[in-house]
Amino acid sequence: DQQVKQNSPSLSVQEGRISILNCDYTNSMFDYFLWYKKYPAEGPTFLISISSIKDKNEDGRFTVFLNKSAKHLSLHIVPSQPGDSAVYFCAAYSGNQFYFGTGTSLTVIP
Amino acid sequence: GAVVSQHPSWVICKSGTSVKIECRSLDFQATTMFWYRQFPKQSLMLMATSNEGSKATYEQGVEKDKFLINHASLTLSTLTVTSAHPEDSSFYICSARDQQAPSYNEQFFGPGTRLTVL
Repeated sequence: DQQVKQNSPSLSVQEGRISILNCDYTNSMFDYFLWYKKYPAEGPTFLISISSIKDKNEDGRFTVFLNKSAKHLSLHIVPSQPGDSAVYFCAAYSGNQFYFGTGTSLTVIP
Repeated sequence: GAVVSQHPSWVICKSGTSVKIECRSLDFQATTMFWYRQFPKQSLMLMATSNEGSKATYEQGVEKDKFLINHASLTLSTLTVTSAHPEDSSFYICSARDQQAPSYNEQFFGPGTRLTVL
């Protein structure tokens, strides 16, 4: 049973435009959400996180939005750069457990 | 920032041999480390949660006797794949939680170890 879902396996965006990656979850007990970036044959790299008591967290070009009523979070990358091309995983945390989505492969076209 | 290393980064072995993968937190203490496995084009699959000084907690479906996990110190956890077979070939990733970090839920990932069993 997938508690964290990323329904878009891939996304292509023109350089300079906004990239929006989406993530849905089912468990209302999750109290922390994180986004990770992963290049092929490398471990994930932490990008940004958000506590369940907030609805927005911003760090440079990356902003995460949380809509608890819809059980939905999204990662916005503005402006997108070719180096952002990677697989992005969202993750949710509850009770010493991390639950990962299946990832969205982002391609930023120069 | 918090750094987690893994060794080796790539290992090729014959079927039936055992392989040990090390995961180290280089600049912080990690009471909890996690071991993941990733198949091509799939999500990270949590294999086990490793707590320093105690037995690891394995996820359902993960064979404890095949994937031996030891977390003997606050900076080192090891995963031993015993009697490896070709179906064990995968990308193994560890992560560690920095108990001193402001966002204590955050985990830092190692670079991963690619295991190929011939």
